[in-house]
Amino acid sequence: AQRVTQPEKLLSVFKGAPVELKCNYSYSGSPELFWYVQYSRQRLQLLLRHISRESIKGFTADLNKGETSFHLKKPFAQEEDSAMYYCALSGTYNQGGKLIFGQGTELSVKP
Amino acid sequence: SAVISQKPSRDICQRGTSLTIQCQVDSQVTMMFWYRQQPGQSLTLIATANQGSEATYESGFVIDKFPISRPNLTFSTLTVSNMSPEDSSIYLCSVWGGGYTFGSGTRLTVV
Repeated sequence: AQRVTQPEKLLSVFKGAPVELKCNYSYSGSPELFWYVQYSRQRLQLLLRHISRESIKGFTADLNKGETSFHLKKPFAQEEDSAMYYCALSGTYNQGGKLIFGQGTELSVKP
Repeated sequence: SAVISQKPSRDICQRGTSLTIQCQVDSQVTMMFWYRQQPGQSLTLIATANQGSEATYESGFVIDKFPISRPNLTFSTLTVSNMSPEDSSIYLCSVWGGGYTFGSGTRLTVV
């Protein structure tokens, strides 16, 4: 079954601390993985997609096919990073198709 | 990336009535998606709407309850029919245009 698991509902860190938001997936083929972010009162927006291998706002994520993980990392968290983060999977590589979302992790960065 | 205008942004409706949500895109897109986000939950795909064909519904969602129109490549509507309090959710449209873009959502409360 296709599934995305984000084990942490809430992650709280202090400003300047490293942060890692976990994402594990279950999919039999070659999925495309995404991280979406939703800041307070804003729409859902793309943060990262694994095929682009970019670093956005200091965040990186590496697809580990052996561990079926796509964890989101940032070495030094900022208060403005506080938001809801969703990991998502698409089974149709770079062609669109439905997204399967994880439950989301709320990141709170304290001053 | 595409820009989506979704309306209404919120509504409070009486049970037994219907609400139609509109999604307007500033460019032509083949794939449009409708998601539901129940309180405290993640996003769940309701259906995929491609222009010129009937919408494809996910398990647990039926056309009689969530009729969808897709009259052209820039517009779609989702109707939530015969509403009950359990339909209180945020409804979002999304498009694929080389990447996924999301509308700002419609927060529906059924009383």
